[in-house]
Amino acid sequence: DTGVSQNPRHKITKRGQNVTFRCDPISEHNRLYWYRQTLGQGPEFLTYFQNEAQLEKSRLLSDRFSAERPKGSFSTLEIQRTEQGDSAMYLCASSLAGTMIRSGEQFFGPGTRLTVL
Amino acid sequence: AQRVTQPEKLLSVFKGAPVELKCNYSYSGSPELFWYVQYSRQRLQLLLRHISRESIKGFTADLNKGETSFHLKKPFAQEEDSAMYYCALSGTGNQFYFGTGTSLTVIP
Repeated sequence: DTGVSQNPRHKITKRGQNVTFRCDPISEHNRLYWYRQTLGQGPEFLTYFQNEAQLEKSRLLSDRFSAERPKGSFSTLEIQRTEQGDSAMYLCASSLAGTMIRSGEQFFGPGTRLTVL
Repeated sequence: AQRVTQPEKLLSVFKGAPVELKCNYSYSGSPELFWYVQYSRQRLQLLLRHISRESIKGFTADLNKGETSFHLKKPFAQEEDSAMYYCALSGTGNQFYFGTGTSLTVIP
């Protein structure tokens, strides 16, 4: 499968624990996005990377959320001290964008469903 | 503030009937507008984008800057069009804003 992959697909954790999700984008894509989706809502933009640079992180939900893309390939999203309100589907997407294409087509992963007990 | 509004959460039409999914946006600059679709048990995927001005699976969408709308239309709905549809906007800094989605059911 050459599409975007996310691991784990499901995560159940207890309140207060830290969790980390991984996203592997399509290999030639330079942009990587993280979203959160709760029931009945559309994806909510969290952050995005162009190569290894995190160009936008103002919409991360709190300082408990952080993301990295150390080598410009895979990315991780960490949530520290999880709360029940963090329960949601976390989606990753990647795209190939350049100077002529402001926003390339985003290819989404299957998501990681987080349940905080 | 940037915002995408999809007023209909649920929409049902009969097979062969025209369908229109509404999308209105709020953005002060020049946005890029998209429609994404999610079929049952599949990933979210791009359906079309306004800059390409193409028809995908019979769907079209015209950006109306005066009305700040980007409604999705298809003249004759098919059963395989049943899915969740999201309107999205890309604005400053390549941030994306998605609407809450419209669940389309095409009745045989």
